[in-house]
Order: sequence, then C-alpha cells, then structure tokens
Amino acid sequence: QQPVQSPQAVILREGEDAVINCSSSKALYSVHWYRQKHGEAPVFLMILLKGGEQKGHEKISASFNEKKQQSSLYLTASQLSYSGTYFCGTEALSGNTPLVFGKGTRLSVIA
Amino acid sequence: NAGVTQTPKFRVLKTGQSMTLLCAQDMNHEYMYWYRQDPGMGLRLIHYSVGEGTTAKGEVPDGYNVSRLKKQNFLLGLESAAPSQTSVYFCASATGGWGSNQPQHFGDGTRLSIL
Repeated sequence: QQPVQSPQAVILREGEDAVINCSSSKALYSVHWYRQKHGEAPVFLMILLKGGEQKGHEKISASFNEKKQQSSLYLTASQLSYSGTYFCGTEALSGNTPLVFGKGTRLSVIA
Repeated sequence: NAGVTQTPKFRVLKTGQSMTLLCAQDMNHEYMYWYRQDPGMGLRLIHYSVGEGTTAKGEVPDGYNVSRLKKQNFLLGLESAAPSQTSVYFCASATGGWGSNQPQHFGDGTRLSIL
C-alpha cells in the first residue's frame, strides 16, 4: 500500500518554511526521501530508520515517528532550487519487500 | 561516471508493437528496479531483480516482462504495447534491498508514447 503524502502541492515564497508529511498504514522499518525536478530523475535526499531519528541535508531535515508510522520533511528558508516533487518511500517492518513510494508533493518556490 | 543509463530516451510505438527498454548500471549493484511514473500516481514498481538471473513482480507487472542475464543490465519488455502503457519509465539500482539502508540511483527515464 502506498504511503499517503500531504499536502499534494504547496507554493512558497523564497525564505519561507514548509513541512511535507508521509503516513503509512503499516509499521515501518525506514522512510526514504527523494526529490525530482521537472523532467529529471528522482534524486536521493535521506533515509530515516525506526527509532525516531532525525537527519539533515543542507537546510532540509526530516523526522520519523515510528509509533505514528509517519515521517515529516522540513524545508527551512526555502530557495528557488528547492522546487520539485518530493517523494517518500517506505519499507514495511513486516518483511523483505521493496520500497513503496507515495504519490509525491509538488513544491514550487517563487521569488 | 555514467551511473544508470537508460536506452532509448524517447520512443513512440503503435498499439500492438513490441519493444525492449534497456537499463545499464556501472556501479556493480545487485538490486535493480523498473518503475513507471504517471501524472499524480508517483513511482510504481513494475518488476525488480535482487541479483543476476533473478526477477520478481512488483505492484504493476501485467503486460511487462523482464530479464537480468547480466548483473549490469536489466531489460524491460513490452510484448504487445497498449495505450495504457504510455508513461515515463525509470530504472534504478542499489547495493542492497530491504533493511540495507542504501539509496536507489535512478536513470534519466524513457518517455514512451503508444498510439
């Protein structure tokens, strides 16, 4: 089952912050985050493992709440280069199954 | 440093024609994946491979076949193309699968239109 991402789309002005959420109906082992710019391939951002850890990548960070089976991606002081579609991918705790991606959140940063 | 290379980049087919999409990686990765991406649907897994000579079905395997005869190559075949298979196809590779904590590396995609 696909994880559910929210919001579906968001428009920001440069310097504003945003939060993208990823929720699963299954217990999770890990959450992966990718960004895809228009017409390009998805690019890996970070992996979060169960245990509630947080990670950071430039001004983008994320958290993973395994009890709530959800992860949040935080974009701080957004830049024009942050525009793109963000996907979360989840690995279920239950077994040896491939990553399942959400439908994505389209982020547009305007000047 | 090529990474993951997909061939061709664009293709237009007529309904009923067949074709093969090639994915090649030079990172010695064990795992390889084929996804399709349709507007508003995210990345959906078609087939994947956990090593040379192995293949497994993903979420949307119907109408597609795959082969992994060499570790570096993963082929996706459409035996009789249908308009519903119009999509952007992405190949990805990784050093490991579930629990390996390894990222997937994606190719640039193949844009396929079926008329």
